[in-house]
Amino acid sequence: EIVMTQSPATLSVSPGERATLSCRASQSITSNLAWYQQKPGQAPRLLIYGASTRATGIPARFSASGSGTEFTLTISSLQSEDFAVYYCQQYNNWPVTFGQGTKVEIK
Amino acid sequence: EVQLVESGGDLVQPGGSLTLSCAASGFSLSNYNMHWVRQAPGKGLEWVSYISSSSGSIHYADSVRGRFTISGDNAKNSLYLQMNSLRDEDTAVYYCARYSGYSGAMDVWGQGTTVTVSS
Repeated sequence: EIVMTQSPATLSVSPGERATLSCRASQSITSNLAWYQQKPGQAPRLLIYGASTRATGIPARFSASGSGTEFTLTISSLQSEDFAVYYCQQYNNWPVTFGQGTKVEIK
Repeated sequence: EVQLVESGGDLVQPGGSLTLSCAASGFSLSNYNMHWVRQAPGKGLEWVSYISSSSGSIHYADSVRGRFTISGDNAKNSLYLQMNSLRDEDTAVYYCARYSGYSGAMDVWGQGTTVTVSS
């Protein structure tokens, strides 16, 4: 099973600042990585697929990069609606696995 | 509008059984593969199971293999998760999610249904 490790567990950021989230895979997953956003009481929402492609309707302030085992999600200027938990997920191998999540909170 | 609506969550005793349903609208399940994903209270996301549109390919997480069965009814445009021998650790919100063949990711999610396993 591929283990996905996200860091940090919690990120405290002020509105308007930049946030950088990391995700590491225990073995290469090429670019078969997605990022999801989840707000309290809501279902996850797809943000990024293919490691760097924004899903439909996702604002340009969300960008992502990486391949192999190291991946990054960047939110260029945090808006109030961006404070949430973010999960990475690999779909290169079965079983599909998620990271444990990074909570982005207001500083 | 593309939508997934789960139902069937309930309070059940350990060792009991439950069947979850996921009704799709705005698209046909005959064209899409589907996942079940769960989230225990205060925890992260855990993938549970996957089924291809033809039901020809099915996968399970080790934690549920042999106890859970995924199935689909394309005529009813619905996905199901039959859960047997339920354990305390199966307590979670269960989401169905659409697999995007284009992206490989889960592009549409339901709102979730809550399963509580407790005596």
